[in-house]
Amino acid sequence: DAKTTQPPSMDCAEGRAANLPCNHSTISGNEYVYWYRQIHSQGPQYIIHGLKNNETNEMASLIITEDRKSSTLILPHATLRDTAVYYCIVRAPNTGNQFYFGTGTSLTVIP
Amino acid sequence: GAVVSQHPSRVICKSGTSVKIECRSLDFQATTMFWYRQFPKKSLMLMATSNEGSKATYEQGVEKDKFLINHASLTLSTLTVTSAHPEDSSFYICSAPKGNYGYTFGSGTRLTVV
Repeated sequence: DAKTTQPPSMDCAEGRAANLPCNHSTISGNEYVYWYRQIHSQGPQYIIHGLKNNETNEMASLIITEDRKSSTLILPHATLRDTAVYYCIVRAPNTGNQFYFGTGTSLTVIP
Repeated sequence: GAVVSQHPSRVICKSGTSVKIECRSLDFQATTMFWYRQFPKKSLMLMATSNEGSKATYEQGVEKDKFLINHASLTLSTLTVTSAHPEDSSFYICSAPKGNYGYTFGSGTRLTVV
């Protein structure tokens, strides 16, 4: 799997948009970008994934650059419950390959 | 859908004893499951890949005789920490691949060895 780099921590004011960046400059053509988050002492939770088009669901939006070397996860209106560690992972789909987690970004939503 | 149930959620055991952690796929079949370990304030570290009907594949540095993995059915994988020591205290998480959505994860098991 391609390696990803993320800032170790970020703060965001409650109600504002949280924009979490991820660099994946060595991503392969068939690899998707996945975002997960882990709230303290819980298993990781799926957020969103995409290949090259921007994606949106009820939780977040994913913006992938045209060259696919980086992406941004957007939480449009952050709440205190969004405080978690956010992981960006790249992987080819349906391969059964392992997820290797990087260090992620610890997001703190401030009241 | 795509729920993975992990049990127990937390366990305390005495040093030298063994502990079994179960991971079940509730609404799908998982020929492969993955086991992770996470120390406080650290990321998830892949320990091993559990394969139904065959031997598990361990990551470098993980002792296969200490962390026994059994994947006897398409819905159940177990991790047994044998002769546990305090340094084995950690958060253990299982997961299974689920199509295009990557992985679905269990809720984790907090192991404390005293």
